[in-house]
Amino acid sequence: IAGITQAPTSQILAAGRRMTLRCTQDMRHNAMYWYRQDLGLGLRLIHYSNTAGTTGKGEVPDGYSVSRANTDDFPLTLASAVPSQTSVYFCASSDSPGGVETQYFGPGTRLLVL
Amino acid sequence: GQNIDQPTEMTATEGAIVQINCTYQTSGFNGLFWYQQHAGEAPTFLSYNVLDGLEEKGRFSSFLSRSKGYSYLLLKELQMKDSASYLCAVRDDDYKLSFGAGTTVTVRA
Repeated sequence: IAGITQAPTSQILAAGRRMTLRCTQDMRHNAMYWYRQDLGLGLRLIHYSNTAGTTGKGEVPDGYSVSRANTDDFPLTLASAVPSQTSVYFCASSDSPGGVETQYFGPGTRLLVL
Repeated sequence: GQNIDQPTEMTATEGAIVQINCTYQTSGFNGLFWYQQHAGEAPTFLSYNVLDGLEEKGRFSSFLSRSKGYSYLLLKELQMKDSASYLCAVRDDDYKLSFGAGTTVTVRA
């Protein structure tokens, strides 16, 4: 593994179902992030984690939950999916939240909720 | 709240220069980033500005004026592969990024 991986690549999900999007990084970065990207709205932060064991809410956290049990993994769970959660989801990581270090993005998960 | 504005679309000819403007009004400022995103792919880092002035990196340059809440990304000697979306992002005092909606640049032969 090199960088950030996300799974699945794409998914069609029935409304009301529970879904976990997986994100793993092998760069030993402290901070990790989940964004959703919708046409015309750009990337919006859902949840973030500045270090293992801590999480925080972003701009659009409702309907989503995260956990950060270790440095490498940062899963995003939709407890009961709704059609408005149809989007492209990107996971990102950075060595530290501040400083000149940029965020590195995973390849994304395309989710369609019907 | 955060407000980041950039044009929706721009078109330019191969070999030309294009300037993408970004204006922002944010609660706190801790750096401005530009990312490139090709269709169907993840964003990739282009540039970072935290002090006023111009940062040059090959064919790409980025400028920042903190007092005006303004940045631009300059793409020189445009190539077909530069056709992509360009995202302006501001990092706030809590070190979170807020993104503009992106500018789609189309390079024509």
